[in-house]
Parts: sequence; C-alpha cells; structure tokens
Amino acid sequence: GAGVSQTPSNKVTEKGKYVELRCDPISGHTALYWYRQSLGQGPEFLIYFQGTGAADDSGLPNDRFFAVRPEGSVSTLKIQRTERGDSAVYLCASSHVRNEQFFGPGTRLTVL
Amino acid sequence: DQQVKQNSPSLSVQEGRISILNCDYTNSMFDYFLWYKKYPAEGPTFLISISSIKDKNEDGRFTVFLNKSAKHLSLHIVPSQPGDSAVYFCAAQTGSYQLTFGKGTKLSVIP
Repeated sequence: GAGVSQTPSNKVTEKGKYVELRCDPISGHTALYWYRQSLGQGPEFLIYFQGTGAADDSGLPNDRFFAVRPEGSVSTLKIQRTERGDSAVYLCASSHVRNEQFFGPGTRLTVL
Repeated sequence: DQQVKQNSPSLSVQEGRISILNCDYTNSMFDYFLWYKKYPAEGPTFLISISSIKDKNEDGRFTVFLNKSAKHLSLHIVPSQPGDSAVYFCAAQTGSYQLTFGKGTKLSVIP
C-alpha cells in the first residue's frame, strides 16, 4: 500500500515569506506527527495529532508555526514570517498503534 | 540536554562481520525504544523495537538489547551486508506518543 507522502519535496523561499507543507498519512492511521531534522541532528518532535485535534503541540518552537488536520487525514504545517533558522527537513509520520511510526520522505525547506 | 545519545557518529564494518550500534538515554520514564534506518533523501524507516519490560528482541539479522540499569541499548546486525550502509537512529518513547531521537550513527559496510 501507499506510504506517507509529503509535498513539496523541496521548497526554497525568502526570509519573511509564508510557507505551507503538506502531509498525506497512510490510509487509516489516526495518529499523525510532524518532526524537524536539522543538519547533523536527529528528528525533533514538533506536534502530534490524534484524529483532527492537536493532542500535543509542545514541540512547536514559537507561534510562527502552526499545523492543522481538519478532516483527520491530510495535515498542513504552516510557517509564517520564515527565518533562515527554519531551514531544515520537515518530516511527517503516521501510526495506527502507539509505537511504530512510519515516516514520509520529508520536505527540505531552505530559507534564503 | 540530550535525552538520547548516540556517541559514535560513524562506524565501519567489514561485510559478513557484526555491526554493533550503541545508544544511551537519561530519562528513566522512557518505556519503549525503536531503531530507525535512514538512507539519503528518504525518511527514516522503522527497523526494530523493544519494550522496557524486555531485555532482548530479535528479527532476522537484527537484535536489540536493552540494559535498563545502565540506561543503554544496542543494535546488533549480523552478518552485516553492504545494503545495511545507512544512518541508524535510536529513538525512545514515554507514555506520550512523541519520539525522542539520538543524532544518529552512520554505518558503512565495506565489501
């Protein structure tokens, strides 16, 4: 079956612009997660959805970051007023049970 | 303050030999541990996991060992194959759902 997909695969933007990153989870997975991976680091947790609601958003670095999952499937991560420090690979994962999370290929965001 | 540490950034092993990747953690509330494998330009792929109530889990060539008293786990790959060359991440979970990752170890299996 289809895995987790993320679009776009690459996004280049200018400092101060707004970006949206999309995640399509595995069909039937109720849990969805966003992580961010900077160069030389492991993925860092941003936010977790159970169904439509954000169950844990403690990893969002500041209020420029926001994520939605309006119908309990596709999710969009939104970043306002992007900064150069936001440059990273943004990873989405989904799961059916608590433990094993299945990751998408990521979106590489570059802020110039 | 890193709660999950992989102190070896890289490891080189001869094909057919054993690869041992190590991971240490500081948070005693972690109750589930996972290993992920990552190729360039791809997302992490789940490899194997272990619950804190066990000390060993085996799946084919991959075995994970957990030493709770030492807060240490290791991934053994035997025999190592060139296709195993990738970055390996150790990850841990508490009762919440988020994964806490180490920085990864790049494994190179030399033919």
